Amino acid sequence: DTGVSQNPRHKITKRGQNVTFRCDPISEHNRLYWYRQTLGQGPEFLTYFQNEAQLEKSRLLSDRFSAERPKGSFSTLEIQRTEQGDSAMYLCASINLGTESYEQYFGPGTRLTVT
Amino acid sequence: SQQGEEDPQALSIQEGENATMNCSYKTSINNLQWYRQNSGRGLVHLILIRSNEREKHSGRLRVTLDTSKKSSSLLITASRAADTASYFCATLVYGNNRLAFGKGNQVVVIP
Repeated sequence: DTGVSQNPRHKITKRGQNVTFRCDPISEHNRLYWYRQTLGQGPEFLTYFQNEAQLEKSRLLSDRFSAERPKGSFSTLEIQRTEQGDSAMYLCASINLGTESYEQYFGPGTRLTVT
Repeated sequence: SQQGEEDPQALSIQEGENATMNCSYKTSINNLQWYRQNSGRGLVHLILIRSNEREKHSGRLRVTLDTSKKSSSLLITASRAADTASYFCATLVYGNNRLAFGKGNQVVVIP
């Protein structure tokens, strides 16, 4: 257990539905990242937050995706009008920027299946 | 885009043997990290090697870095069944400090 939690762990939804995932990072970590991982691939960067500010979004993050970190603590990732291509593992990771450590602490992930 | 790229090997070894994985990357790096992922789970950080280091050890792990060849290797000695997992190398991207991962190596250790 890295101290980062994600909910739900699994989500099955029908195409066209909206889904929301939650990530609770380690409390003193000021930076939070979202990644997406498809089968047989490494994680790919989606977006990241420095405290409550979303500083960068990947080209992978279409208009149907939105992420928030309202109080600089937990974060949510919402996918609207899901498509089958959205099926993947969604991982969040946190880090305390400003320390010497560049290690990212990953949550267990949310596995999304769009039918 | 992903910078780290492992040799896309699936290793199957007997318990007690050593496992070696390689990784190449494309751009200048600050550091390179190795992560382990058990089936269907999140990633766990194993070891970090900085660009000015050539070799680093942590328990049964040995990582090397050759910045002239833009490559790294991870050696797991005296493997155990619990080492069965996927192993990813990742480089730190300047600016946003995100990680760029390779495709990973799947290692199966047979008891």
